[in-house]
Amino acid sequence: DAGVTQSPTHLIKTRGQQVTLRCSPKSGHDTVSWYQQALGQGPQFIFQYYEEEERQRGNFPDRFSGHQFPNYSSELNVNALLLGDSALYLCASSLVTGGDEQFFGPGTRLTVL
Amino acid sequence: GESVGLHLPTLSVQEGDNSIINCAYSNSASDYFIWYKQESGKGPQFIIDIRSNMDKRQGQRVTVLLNKTVKHLSLQIAATQPGDSAVYFCADSWGGGNKLTFGTGTQLKVEL
Repeated sequence: DAGVTQSPTHLIKTRGQQVTLRCSPKSGHDTVSWYQQALGQGPQFIFQYYEEEERQRGNFPDRFSGHQFPNYSSELNVNALLLGDSALYLCASSLVTGGDEQFFGPGTRLTVL
Repeated sequence: GESVGLHLPTLSVQEGDNSIINCAYSNSASDYFIWYKQESGKGPQFIIDIRSNMDKRQGQRVTVLLNKTVKHLSLQIAATQPGDSAVYFCADSWGGGNKLTFGTGTQLKVEL
């Protein structure tokens, strides 16, 4: 039973560039949430996707956008990168009818120079 | 906005001792609480969860206690092992929406 997978593992970008991160949920899960974790901090909720639509959104600017595909996998896009976007980006999957438990992937470490 | 916070940033314990990690939450509407363990370079790993209609829940070597009166959550780890060394986060949500609000974490260090 595959867990949550994310790609790439690490990524280095420069200010102003755009980035796309990818996530495959745990087998059987239909909901994907994205979190940003700055160094030494707890994860911060970005948004959540279910049925290919954004279901909830945290306090993040429109530069952060996402997408969910029919196979439940998801992408996180960040435009016009800022130095402050450097963080570990975590994907978590869950089952909308299965309660609140979320399973996290290993994350993508994004460094913006 | 309201958030979940932790009392102690670092906790050092001797191997074999019991560990207690505390967490205070402020959202009175929170109805679901969860503890995660995060090792360096990895994503958060589920430890144990509890709903607001319960006061205590036990797992393997771990126990979560919920005191809704004072909005306090604790994680107890029995017979702490070196492999328990990690950062522990509490998080909460409400309304079944899956949006988790995390605290800043407690670093647990197990000394041999």
